[in-house]
Formats: sequence, structure tokens, C-alpha cells
Amino acid sequence: IAGITQAPTSQILAAGRRMTLRCTQDMRHNAMYWYRQDLGLGLRLIHYSNTAGTTGKGEVPDGYSVSRANTDDFPLTLASAVPSQTSVYFCASSEGQGEGNEQFFGPGTRLTVL
Amino acid sequence: GQNIDQPTEMTATEGAIVQINCTYQTSGFNGLFWYQQHAGEAPTFLSYNVLDGLEEKGRFSSFLSRSKGYSYLLLKELQMKDSASYLCAVKDSNYQLIWGAGTKLIIKP
Repeated sequence: IAGITQAPTSQILAAGRRMTLRCTQDMRHNAMYWYRQDLGLGLRLIHYSNTAGTTGKGEVPDGYSVSRANTDDFPLTLASAVPSQTSVYFCASSEGQGEGNEQFFGPGTRLTVL
Repeated sequence: GQNIDQPTEMTATEGAIVQINCTYQTSGFNGLFWYQQHAGEAPTFLSYNVLDGLEEKGRFSSFLSRSKGYSYLLLKELQMKDSASYLCAVKDSNYQLIWGAGTKLIIKP
């Protein structure tokens, strides 16, 4: 593994189903993030984690949950998917939260909820 | 509210120079980032500014004026591979990135 991986690459999901998007990084970064990207809008932060064992809500957290049991993994769960959650989901990580810490992005998961 | 504005789309010619502007209004300022995103791919880091002035990195330069809430990304000697979206993002007082919608740059031969 090099950098950040996400799984699955793409998924079509029936409304009402539960879905977990997986994210793993091997850079030993403290901070991790989940964003969604929709056409015509900027990346929007769903949830974040500044360090293992802690999580926080971003701009659009409703309908999503996360956990950070260890440094490497940061799964995102949709408890009961709805069509408005159709989007491209990016996981990202950074060494820390501070000023100059650039974020590194995974390849993304394209999710369609029907 | 917090807001990042950048043009939706720009067109330029191969070999030319293009400037992509970004204006921002955020609660606090802890740096401004530019990312490049090719279609269907993840964003990748280009540049970071936290102090006023110009940062140069090869063919790409980024400028910041904190008093004006303004930045630009300058791309020189444009190549076809520079066709991509360019995302401006500001780190706010909570150290979270606020993102613009991106500028799609089309390069013509």
C-alpha cells in the first residue's frame, strides 16, 4: 500500500440499505477526513478525525457516521442510504491539523443510490 | 457565512500563460491551498500560501493578499496535460479547509 486507498471504487446501492466506505492510509498521518464532491459544488467535509480515537462533525454530517479505532483506518458508514447521498466520496489525510499541513487524497468512491 | 469564489471555466492556448483568481471570505485564516484535479481523479496538492506575496514552483506560481482576501494561481508555458480543474481552499479558524467549486481549465492547441 502506498498513500491512501479507498474501497469500493464504485457502488450502486438501493435506497434504505446500509453501506460502509473503507479508507486506509499507510503514512501514519494523525488527521483523516471524509469529503463528498458534487457537480458545481466545492468539496464538503462530512466528518474528520484529528487523531485515533477522536472524531468530529464537518459541514454535512447528517446520515453519515465514522469511527477511528486506529491510525490507519477511517471507515464512513451510511446507515440508511438516500438518493441525495449519490456523490463521489474522497477520503484524505494529513500529518496534523496545523497551518501548512497539506491533505493527501484517496482515489475516491463513486456512489449511486437508487 | 464562509465563501470561496473562483471562475467556473477558463480557456487558454497551449504555450500561453493563464491566471486563475480566487477570492475568499472565511472565519479566520490559516493558509490558502491550490489543488489540481484531473477529470475522474483525486485532487493533488499544488501550492500553499500563508504570508502575502508570490510563491513560485516551476511553471506554477501562487500569490496571496490577505488584506484583499485574494489569491491567484499563475500557470506558465501551458501544456495540454494542464487541462484540469483547479481548486482553491482556505483553512479557517477551526483549521478546516473551505473549498471553492473549482475552475475548469481547457487548453486548446
